[in-house]
Amino acid sequence: EPEVTQTPSHQVTQMGQEVILRCVPISNHLYFYWYRQILGQKVEFLVSFYNNEISEKSEIFDDQFSVERPDGSNFTLKIRSTKLEDSAMYFCASDQGLYQPQHFGDGTRLSIL
Amino acid sequence: GQQVMQIPQYQHVQEGEDFTTYCNSSTTLSNIQWYKQRPGGHPVFLIQLVKSGEVKKQKRLTFQFGEAKKNSSLHITATQTTDVGTYFCLRVANTGNQFYFGTGTSLTVIP
Repeated sequence: EPEVTQTPSHQVTQMGQEVILRCVPISNHLYFYWYRQILGQKVEFLVSFYNNEISEKSEIFDDQFSVERPDGSNFTLKIRSTKLEDSAMYFCASDQGLYQPQHFGDGTRLSIL
Repeated sequence: GQQVMQIPQYQHVQEGEDFTTYCNSSTTLSNIQWYKQRPGGHPVFLIQLVKSGEVKKQKRLTFQFGEAKKNSSLHITATQTTDVGTYFCLRVANTGNQFYFGTGTSLTVIP
């Protein structure tokens, strides 16, 4: 069964540095998402992406964050000037359309020191 | 707002006992999805409910959508240790492209 893949599985970064989290969505999926889950808390929506542009973003997704689909397969989340509170698990997900099941990757655990 | 409240936050049951988690919204939902997240894992889609009063079953799991489409429940009959994890409901915002997970119910099954 096709999977959403995310790299790296764990990223450790100094506060203030930039990080790029990478995702390869399922190939025939049209919508892509990033979510964040702080340890022990619920999964929080960050952004949805469709047709090469952001379709919706949450209050969390401020100017510090950006997403890109640099080629036909990768979907990236960039976090500039990281803060301690950015430490979390970041999940990428994709689906075939509105109200379709979302398929999640295994996540990238981001640790900001 | 468009947040969903989920209760209980934690549930410990003896293996073989039943378990229920509830999602409640202050606004009418167009649909609701349920996901399971195993410890250390990622959310995995379980089911989607769309119609008022809809009931769907998956083996020992029964999902229900309220008549007013403001609440939903997941019931597990005769829990097993494989049921351990956190169960989240997910609602889609009225705009269609923003998603709100419930606060989750963490299920522990004691053998």
